[in-house]
Amino acid sequence: NAGVTQTPKFRVLKTGQSMTLLCAQDMNHEYMYWYRQDPGMGLRLIHYSVGEGTTAKGEVPDGYNVSRLKKQNFLLGLESAAPSQTSVYFCASIPGAQRGTQYFGPGTRLLVL
Amino acid sequence: DQQVKQNSPSLSVQEGRISILNCDYTNSMFDYFLWYKKYPAEGPTFLISISSIKDKNEDGRFTVFLNKSAKHLSLHIVPSQPGDSAVYFCAASDRGSSNTGKLIFGQGTTLQVKP
Repeated sequence: NAGVTQTPKFRVLKTGQSMTLLCAQDMNHEYMYWYRQDPGMGLRLIHYSVGEGTTAKGEVPDGYNVSRLKKQNFLLGLESAAPSQTSVYFCASIPGAQRGTQYFGPGTRLLVL
Repeated sequence: DQQVKQNSPSLSVQEGRISILNCDYTNSMFDYFLWYKKYPAEGPTFLISISSIKDKNEDGRFTVFLNKSAKHLSLHIVPSQPGDSAVYFCAASDRGSSNTGKLIFGQGTTLQVKP
């Protein structure tokens, strides 16, 4: 089991460029999450999904879009990157309706110039 | 408004001594709390949790204490080891999040354990 994987590990973008971050999990988890981690801000929820074909906004959704076309994949898109989106992005998943442990990927470091 | 707060950005302790990491919350609906540990260039990993029906939960060297009246929890690591050097995040959830699994995280505290 690879668990939760994220692609790419690191990316540099110019302001205005677009990109997609991929999160994949092989644990058959229902729920998936995208967070961003910034210094002094902790982990903030961007978007989440409680099942294939469903997505919902989190705490800081502006400037991002997501899709969950397949149960194992959760994509995070930046349509027009801004320097304020420079961050480390983490994906997480849990089996389903429960409270507790989320399983995190290794993160994607994004630098927007 | 930050609902989960870790007011100490960093903590340095000597190997073998106790590390105490603190976390405060403002939402009285929170009833389940977790601590995550994060090493550089890795994702956070679950460490220990506590339900509001308890005031203490222990797992080896790690103990979490919950003071509901003060809306405060703390993580004790005894004895501290250099391998414990990491960022520690406190997280909380409320009963209403059982159908979403959402967690609210604190800002994190960087622990350095010196040999």
